[in-house]
Amino acid sequence: NAGVMQNPRHLVRRRGQEARLRCSPMKGHSHVYWYRQLPEEGLKFMVYLQKENIIDESGMPKERFSAEFPKEGPSILRIQQVVRGDSAAYFCASSPWTGGHEAFFGQGTRLTVV
Amino acid sequence: AQKITQTQPGMFVQEKEAVTLDCTYDTSDQSYGLFWYKQPSSGEMIFLIYQGSYDEQNATEGRYSLNFQKARKSANLVISASQLGDSAMYFCAMRGDQGAQKLVFGQGTRLTINP
Repeated sequence: NAGVMQNPRHLVRRRGQEARLRCSPMKGHSHVYWYRQLPEEGLKFMVYLQKENIIDESGMPKERFSAEFPKEGPSILRIQQVVRGDSAAYFCASSPWTGGHEAFFGQGTRLTVV
Repeated sequence: AQKITQTQPGMFVQEKEAVTLDCTYDTSDQSYGLFWYKQPSSGEMIFLIYQGSYDEQNATEGRYSLNFQKARKSANLVISASQLGDSAMYFCAMRGDQGAQKLVFGQGTRLTINP
């Protein structure tokens, strides 16, 4: 039973390019959460999605960042025109419903902007 | 709004000793959940233990236990008989009463186990 799969594990982008981070939730999970971890800090919530719906995007920067979770396929976190400050680890978590005891995290994508 | 505070940036412990990692929280929610995660140097987030706000008994999972003191709003993690493999970052997190798994994390404690 595969866990939450994130790819790529490492991503290097030049300033101004676009970054696409993918997250495939655990089988049967329809809730996906994206978090960002800056160096030496804890994870910060970005966005919560269910299939085809954004439920809570209170942690998303207002510009350049977007997320989707289509009916078919993985969830995508998209960062347009990346800047050095976007360099971070981006984690995806999934859960089967809203009230479980844990969210299952992927291994993260480490984005480096050069 | 919810807030998690971990006041120990780093801790050094001798192998086989017990260690307590501190976590205090602040919330106005009546129902909430508290979590501890371990992040080794490889970077993944490993779930360790969960405590619900209405659970009367402290949660335990193997060598991990959560010392839950609701009145003091603290949720300390206790690791018994520490091992070299316990060296990692440890994060305390909480979930509010909305039911979703939107977690608020503390800054973390870096635990180093010395042989």
